[in-house]
Amino acid sequence: DTGVSQDPRHKITKRGQNVTFRCDPISEHNRLYWYRQTLGQGPEFLTYFQNEAQLEKSRLLSDRFSAERPKGSFSTLEIQRTEQGDSAMYLCASSTIGSSRDEQFFGPGTRLTVL
Amino acid sequence: AQRVTQPEKLLSVFKGAPVELKCNYSYSGSPELFWYVQYSRQRLQLLLRHISRESIKGFTADLNKGETSFHLKKPFAQEEDSAMYYCALINVGTASKLTFGTGTRLQVTL
Repeated sequence: DTGVSQDPRHKITKRGQNVTFRCDPISEHNRLYWYRQTLGQGPEFLTYFQNEAQLEKSRLLSDRFSAERPKGSFSTLEIQRTEQGDSAMYLCASSTIGSSRDEQFFGPGTRLTVL
Repeated sequence: AQRVTQPEKLLSVFKGAPVELKCNYSYSGSPELFWYVQYSRQRLQLLLRHISRESIKGFTADLNKGETSFHLKKPFAQEEDSAMYYCALINVGTASKLTFGTGTRLQVTL
C-alpha cells in the first residue's frame, strides 16, 4: 500500500461533458474526503464519508456533483455538465480513528481542465 | 464560520535566516491546528499539529489562543524548506473537514 491513489491524474474535457474521478484510500482507513483546490487557494472541503455513509457535504457541492463510496473502500466523484468554473485540482484524502487521529493523508490529485 | 488566514502569499528568506510563517484563525470552540506542506511535485503532507507539541524538521508552532494564532517558526532556514505551506484547522468534536488557509510559498535562497 503506497498511500492514497487517484485516477486519472489529469483530465481535459469539453464544457457540458460528464467526468468521473476515482480515489483509492489507504487500506482500512474508514474516512474519505474530497477537496477542491483552485489556483492560489488552499484546498476547500467538498464532502466526506465514514465507511459508505456520506456524512457531510459542502455548499460548494452543487447538484451537478455526486460522490459515492459504495463498499466503504474506493470512492468516485462525478461532475455532470461540466463548466469552465469546475477547472481545478480535485484532492482525495483518507484517515482513520486511532493513534494518528485526524491526520488526513492526501492523494496526488486529479487536475481537471474544462475547455 | 471557521476561517484560516495566511497573510503572506510569498516569503523569501536567505539560507540560515529565521523563518516565521503567519497563521491566524477564527473559530468558536476548540479547534485543532495543523501545518501541511507541499514540496515541488509532491502531494500535500502533514508537517505538524499543535497537540503533538513537537519539532519536525526543525519547525515548531505554538497555539496562542489569546491571539488566535498558530505561527510556524524555524530558527535557521534550509534550501530544502522551500515549499508551499498551508495552515489548517479541524473541528475537534467531529474530526471531519479541514479548513485551509490560502497558503504561503516559502522560498529559501542562497
